[in-house]
Amino acid sequence: QVQLVESGGGLVKPGGSLRLSCAASGFIFSDYYMSWIRQAPGKGLEWLSYISNSGSTTDYADSVKGRVTISRDNAKNSLYLQMNSLRAEDTAVYYCVRDRHPSNYYGLVGWGQGTTVTVSS
Amino acid sequence: DIVMTQSPLSLPVTPGEPASISCRSSQSLLRVNGYHYLDWYLQKPGQSPQLLIYLGSNRASGVPDRFSGSGSGTNFTLKISRVEAEDVGIYYCMQGLQTPRTFGPGTKVDIK
Repeated sequence: QVQLVESGGGLVKPGGSLRLSCAASGFIFSDYYMSWIRQAPGKGLEWLSYISNSGSTTDYADSVKGRVTISRDNAKNSLYLQMNSLRAEDTAVYYCVRDRHPSNYYGLVGWGQGTTVTVSS
Repeated sequence: DIVMTQSPLSLPVTPGEPASISCRSSQSLLRVNGYHYLDWYLQKPGQSPQLLIYLGSNRASGVPDRFSGSGSGTNFTLKISRVEAEDVGIYYCMQGLQTPRTFGPGTKVDIK
């Protein structure tokens, strides 16, 4: 089944950077778009970004546009999120999920345990 | 951006009884292919979210048949035919029609 394992979170000072990673298995990674979703403590779910299966198309939420970059390495079945200029409000659990197939949609699948990012001085 | 709303935001339920959650979108979620791009997710206490329903009415793999999704246009409903204790948690609807993907605020379901 779809398995996604996030890593790379941690404690970072305001203005700092982090690179999150997501290791995928259980499906043909290169066939699917992938998304990052986050959840601030005690809050709801917020979609951040997605990337097409080839990596040629990306999109971002306004809240992170210009500060984060999504990328993927299909040879390594891996997804990444480079986060710069971090703010206290970026403190959250970050999830990677399998998004749509170019010709079909099956919902957001494969929610792992997430990786926690804490931005604090 | 498409705004998603849910009601109620809190839903005390009795095991064995039915339950229903409503979700509305600020614009139609119908695509030209005839599908409504509306999903339902459940986040159980202390766990990550999980997909329950996609494209309005399709149960995800392993989801019990007591869960059903319906609706069209901008109005959608998640129904639980007979609530079980394990169904407690926060239910979110989400539109998958376009980016940014947007979620409803969540409906907290707990046992009376």
